[in-house]
Amino acid sequence: NAGVTQTPKFRILKIGQSMTLQCAQDMNHNYMYWYRQDPGMGLKLIYYSVGAGITDKGEVPNGYNVSRSTTEDFPLRLELAAPSQTSVYFCASSFATGTSGNEQFFGPGTRLTVL
Amino acid sequence: AQSVTQPDIHITVSEGASLELRCNYSYGATPYLFWYVQSPGQGLQLLLKYFSGDTLVQGIKGFEAEFKRSQSSFNLRKPSVHWSDAAEYFCAVTLGAGSYQLTFGKGTKLSVIP
Repeated sequence: NAGVTQTPKFRILKIGQSMTLQCAQDMNHNYMYWYRQDPGMGLKLIYYSVGAGITDKGEVPNGYNVSRSTTEDFPLRLELAAPSQTSVYFCASSFATGTSGNEQFFGPGTRLTVL
Repeated sequence: AQSVTQPDIHITVSEGASLELRCNYSYGATPYLFWYVQSPGQGLQLLLKYFSGDTLVQGIKGFEAEFKRSQSSFNLRKPSVHWSDAAEYFCAVTLGAGSYQLTFGKGTKLSVIP
């Protein structure tokens, strides 16, 4: 049981380039999330998904896109990288039901630098 | 909108000393409360959570937290800190059962002096 996995661990992009951050979970969780973490700012929600085929915006979605074609995978796409997207990105998943407390499990993160 | 405040950005304690990290939330009802720890270069790991019932909850690594409704607080404690506890600690709140949204505080960085 690998939990939540993310690739790559590190990446340097040039301004205007695009890339996809990969996220997968093997816990059969229905909810998945993407966060970004900037120094001193905690975690901000970018996008989330409540199940395959369903996604929605979080607090800071501009400049990003997501898709969820399967329960396991939730890739995050950066189309035109900008220096403001330099951050550490975390994927998380949870099994949220009417009686659960939405405990989220986090991946190890991807450190992205845009130059 | 709900919010979480961690008043201390950085705390330094000596190894063996006791620790208390503060967390206050702003929300009308009783939310679900969490403490996560992040070691350098790592993801977030859940330390403990409070949903209902006993207001003193025990977590992993010897940590505990107490929910105080009257003070809207959920402070994290440890009686004796170890050098390996040096990390960043995040308090988080969710609205309730089935809610997707987890709101995080900005974190408290803990340094431990040998």
